[in-house]
Amino acid sequence: DIQLTQSPSFLSASVGDRVTITCRASQGISSYLAWYQQKPGQAPKLLIYAASTLQSGVPSRFSGSGSGTEFTLTISSLQPEDFATYYCQQLNSYLSITFGQGTRLEIK
Amino acid sequence: QVQLVQSGDEVKKPGSSVKVSCKVSGGTLSSYVISWVRQAPGQGLEWMGGVMPMFGTSKYPQKFQGRVTITADKSTSAAYMELTSLRSEDTAVYFCAKKGNSGSLDYWGQGTLVTVSS
Repeated sequence: DIQLTQSPSFLSASVGDRVTITCRASQGISSYLAWYQQKPGQAPKLLIYAASTLQSGVPSRFSGSGSGTEFTLTISSLQPEDFATYYCQQLNSYLSITFGQGTRLEIK
Repeated sequence: QVQLVQSGDEVKKPGSSVKVSCKVSGGTLSSYVISWVRQAPGQGLEWMGGVMPMFGTSKYPQKFQGRVTITADKSTSAAYMELTSLRSEDTAVYFCAKKGNSGSLDYWGQGTLVTVSS
């Protein structure tokens, strides 16, 4: 099974900061990687798919990049509503899904 | 606008089974792939499997093989997840989600809390 490892697991930042979260896959997954934001008590929300394509309605301060085994999610200027937990997710050629362990982003 | 609406919260005894429903509106169930994802308290997201209603086929990760059954009923436009032999570690919020572009999950249900307790 393909494993996804996110780093860091916890991130403390201030409004206006630029932050980057990394997701590393245990083997190449082409660009079949998505990023989600989850707030307490809510379902996850899709932010980015195909590693770098912004989902409709998601603010442009979110961006994704990478391919193969290393991927990043960047928030260019943190807003108060961005403090949440972020997950990466992949779909492999056997149609199985795995998630990273999550990155909790908190206000400094 | 696609919407996924799940059945209500459940409390179950260890050893019993639970069946959670996910009604799809705003689109055609048979053209979608529906996955189930669970989240234990304070933990991350865990994929439990998925169903392709058009073909009537399902896929499960090794961890849940033999204990979970995911089905879809095109006549009611609903997907179902049944988990058997419940134990306390199965206490979690269970989500259904629709497969979107490039293997992403673009629409999610609101979540169903299943509590397993004696």
